[in-house]
Amino acid sequence: QQQVKQSPQSLIVQKGGISIINCAYENTAFDYFPWYQQFPGKGPALLIAIRPDVSEKKEGRFTISFNKSAKQFSLHIMDSQPGDSATYFCAARTGANNLFFGTGTRLTVIP
Amino acid sequence: GAGVSQSPRYKVAKRGQDVALRCDPISGHVSLFWYQQALGQGPEFLTYFQNEAQLDKSGLPSDRFFAERPEGSVSTLKIQRTQQEDSAVYLCASSLTGNSYNEQFFGPGTRLTVL
Repeated sequence: QQQVKQSPQSLIVQKGGISIINCAYENTAFDYFPWYQQFPGKGPALLIAIRPDVSEKKEGRFTISFNKSAKQFSLHIMDSQPGDSATYFCAARTGANNLFFGTGTRLTVIP
Repeated sequence: GAGVSQSPRYKVAKRGQDVALRCDPISGHVSLFWYQQALGQGPEFLTYFQNEAQLDKSGLPSDRFFAERPEGSVSTLKIQRTQQEDSAVYLCASSLTGNSYNEQFFGPGTRLTVL
């Protein structure tokens, strides 16, 4: 059973456009929601994370929007660049330490 | 070398062979995690150590999988009698403390192919 559902599976965006990736969860015990970026042959790297007591967090071109009542959160990449082309994973964690990952979104930014 | 390192980076095994995968966490990191990432999927939790203590092994798929961290630093994931369904990338991550909000830093993974 997938604890965190992620969409779309793949995304193609023009350079300068906005990339939006969505995730949904059911377990209300989740209290930490990170997004990871993974390049081919590399391990995932933390991009940005949010706790459920805030509705939005912005770091540079990356923004997480969090809707606690809908149990959904999304990643927005503003002014998308070819260097952003990678696979993005949302994740969630309870007070225990292990992360539950979504299935990933392969983003391609076209020059 | 500041990051998490894993070896070997690639491993090919014949079905039925035993394999051992090594993880060197960031120096001083208390917590260590193993994840399994199947092709085209997100990582799935296998097991978690705090220092040398294995606090959670609920994600290990079978008793053929065994992990250890005897001195609280380097960890080894061992898979006995490998099967084709064990083919995946095995990721190791470490974090500074046991605080659940600490960032997990991932290594590059070991790609295991079982023929």
